[in-house]
This record gives sequence, C-alpha cells and structure tokens, in this order.
Amino acid sequence: GAGVSQSPSNKVTEKGKDVELRCDPISGHTALYWYRQRLGQGLEFLIYFQGNSAPDKSGLPSDRFSAERTGESVSTLTIQRTQQEDSAVYLCASSLRSGGADTQYFGPGTRLTVL
Amino acid sequence: GEDVEQSLFLSVREGDSSVINCTYTDSSSTYLYWYKQEPGAGLQLLTYIFSNMDMKQDQRLTVLLNKKDKHLSLRIADTQTGDSAIYFCADVGPQKYNFNKFYFGSGTKLNVKP
Repeated sequence: GAGVSQSPSNKVTEKGKDVELRCDPISGHTALYWYRQRLGQGLEFLIYFQGNSAPDKSGLPSDRFSAERTGESVSTLTIQRTQQEDSAVYLCASSLRSGGADTQYFGPGTRLTVL
Repeated sequence: GEDVEQSLFLSVREGDSSVINCTYTDSSSTYLYWYKQEPGAGLQLLTYIFSNMDMKQDQRLTVLLNKKDKHLSLRIADTQTGDSAIYFCADVGPQKYNFNKFYFGSGTKLNVKP
C-alpha cells in the first residue's frame, strides 16, 4: 500500500463506551507499533507486534486496553470502558522488520475524544 | 527508562537557520531519529544518525551528535514557512524481545515567520 492508514480519523465517544481503532500497515511490513500522543506531549509507546505476536505488552496503560493483529496485516486497538484520560491521538506505525532499529512509518492517527 | 528532552517552542524568521536541540540519557543508544509532524498528520521521518557518527548532512538538514554530552541537534538551513511543524527527536533503546523501542521527546514546535 501507499502508506500506513488508520480509521477512523476522528472518534468522539461517551465515557464508559468501548472503542476500536484500526491500523492498516504498509504491505510487507512485519512489525507494527501503537503509540498514544496526548495533547502537547510526545509519543507514549503502547504495544508492538512482530507478525501477529505481541511479545511486549508492558506499555498498555491498563487492562482496559488490548490489541490484536491478523497475520502481518490489520491491527485493532480496543479500549474498553473509555475514560476521559483516554482522550488522545492514537498513532500506528509499521516497519519492514523489528530488529536493528528499522525505520518506522507512521499513519495519520486517530483522534479520540471521550466526553 | 530512557528520558528524551526537547525545548517546546522555537520561532525563527523565514530564511534564517533553525536549530532544534535534544538531549537523551541512554548511553547505549545506537540510532537517533528526527521526525516532523505537520498539523493533523502522522510523523514523517526526516533523517537519522548512527551513534558512531558526529554529523550527517542531507540537503538543508544537518544533524549533529555529541555522544559524550548525549546531545543531538537538527539544523535547518534557509528555513521556509513550510518547515513550520512539530519536530520530534527519538532515541532507540537497547534491543529487547528482538525489538528496538523508540523513545520520543515531547516535540519542538517550530514557527517560521514570513
């Protein structure tokens, strides 16, 4: 594909609802990353996939957060029982491989607003 | 964990040079990156430097690395209004689970005045 795509671009939800965010990586990229960017802050690492395996889940902020990946393609980040502090831009990135600090290519992000 | 610090704002006039600074704490860093984020967009890779290099030049961009002081800078020559964006420094930590974790600074917002 041309680049990393994410959907929806914007999501407004009520506190307590569940949301699903989707990421389509660049075709052929085996590694996929999710980050959270709060307003005016840097990127906070959430989770990384190598293929459909997530060896490091330590970045997920709470057990309300989960992520899945189908093969080496689409990934979904699910936030259950959303809270206002979950409001942020959620960025997805992919890279050809995970080792050797391979360059990460970012999607445009999903802006999540929890009312 | 790794700490990456950047100043929050920089304002320059069109045509001047911009210098964006970054400090990091992990002495085992192997790569350091600069990303650019325009409003409403994701992060776009600008350039990166290996830790065994002191300098890297790419057209209007010059990256300087002082490994002793753990200081990285990005110089943009002849800054244009289109360079207005947020610039993120990223440090790559040691490999764990066959994965090099990126640590991002909070970003420097560059404002270029015409």
